[in-house]
Amino acid sequence: EVQLVESGGGLVQPGGSLRLSCAASGFAFHTYWMCWVRQSPGKGLEWVADINEAGSNMFFMDSVKGRFTISRDNAKNSLYLQMNSLRVEDTAVYFCVRCSGSGIYYDSWGQGTLVTVSS
Amino acid sequence: QTVVTQEPSLTVSPGGTVTLTCASSTGTVTSGYYPNWFQQKPGQAPRALIYSTSNKHSWTPARFSGSLLGGKAALTLSGVQSEDEAEYYCLLYYGGPWVFGGGTKLTVL
Repeated sequence: EVQLVESGGGLVQPGGSLRLSCAASGFAFHTYWMCWVRQSPGKGLEWVADINEAGSNMFFMDSVKGRFTISRDNAKNSLYLQMNSLRVEDTAVYFCVRCSGSGIYYDSWGQGTLVTVSS
Repeated sequence: QTVVTQEPSLTVSPGGTVTLTCASSTGTVTSGYYPNWFQQKPGQAPRALIYSTSNKHSWTPARFSGSLLGGKAALTLSGVQSEDEAEYYCLLYYGGPWVFGGGTKLTVL
């Protein structure tokens, strides 16, 4: 069974940093692109970033470019999102998603971790 | 800035048919945008329904189908059930980043 478990969320002040982690199990992690998707309270889904199988190629939504970094450790079956210079508008539940592999897309989602940016 | 537009809300009667659409500010949506569709119920993580325009996941009920319609991606629900009441999101690929639509709140009434 595919499992994606996020951790690392919490309360942080504007301008602060936070690192999210996603522990993956039940599939060949190193053969999938992985993504982060977020959802602000009461709002819609926002695609944040993705990273290829080897960790050598990544893309970001415009509003987080230069502030967020996505990385992975295939030996540990783990995905990360380093978030710096956090803003109030980054407040959201962050979902870890298995986004692409073997021609199938966005099929498995974690339950999410809440990040609150507030003074 | 790329914008993906969905109907904010739709209402359908039980047993009826409804089509949700997904438009891109860049123009016609084609298969190259790899349209995905997701269902989300309150308090739950999204659930994938359709990928690459019309492909169903193993758990996707047969009453859900995806297509391209009039320059947009479309999700059609046939024989709607009360349990289909939810928020539905589309997702399009832009050659690197992806962009979600704003979501359609589907009411079954």
